[in-house]
Amino acid sequence: GAVVSQHPSRVICKSGTSVKIECRSLDFQATTMFWYRQFPKQSLMLMATSNEGSKATYEQGVEKDKFLINHASLTLSTLTVTSAHPEDSSFYICSARRLAGATDTQYFGPGTRLTVL
Amino acid sequence: QKEVEQDPGPLSVPEGAIVSLNCTYSNSAFQYFMWYRQYSRKGPELLMYTYSSGNKEDGRFTAQVDKSSKYISLFIRDSQPSDSATYLCAMIQGAQKLVFGQGTRLTINP
Repeated sequence: GAVVSQHPSRVICKSGTSVKIECRSLDFQATTMFWYRQFPKQSLMLMATSNEGSKATYEQGVEKDKFLINHASLTLSTLTVTSAHPEDSSFYICSARRLAGATDTQYFGPGTRLTVL
Repeated sequence: QKEVEQDPGPLSVPEGAIVSLNCTYSNSAFQYFMWYRQYSRKGPELLMYTYSSGNKEDGRFTAQVDKSSKYISLFIRDSQPSDSATYLCAMIQGAQKLVFGQGTRLTINP
């Protein structure tokens, strides 16, 4: 299967600082990437859709000024959590959309666990 | 009513048993159907991908789609303790976002 990486895998930061998470598709180009948030024992919650070369599309209730998304290339999208607070502590997962012939699916990164103290 | 319904379990079966995981959906426009496996504290891993009614087999895994009933299934044969994870069904309509089921927590007991 296709490979998507995330960095860092785990980050602990102080309240008020900003944290950047990188998502890379390693073996295919992805015009579209997605950012999800997952709380313990719950399913994934889509935060935003990241399109290469254009502004991200945010889901209802997600603050775009809080969660900055940049999709600068076909293999890299970044999520920056600005002025992080303890309630932002969560598991953040990205995915990359792969289009190949009739196949349209998403491959997920390993996730980033953010803890805000 | 949720677009995709999945029993969250937990489901516990003995090693070697056949496991059946199911999802129902309400949107007849869904075209692509996927099953992901997620281990604790890891990202989901794509297991099966289908886009038509019928069965698709890959090793011990079989995905089944019945579009007329809006019902999909994942069967795991000869289940192993390493299969213990949360299984998420997901579906997509055209270029739209994935819609996930709630996920079923599965435990295979040695």
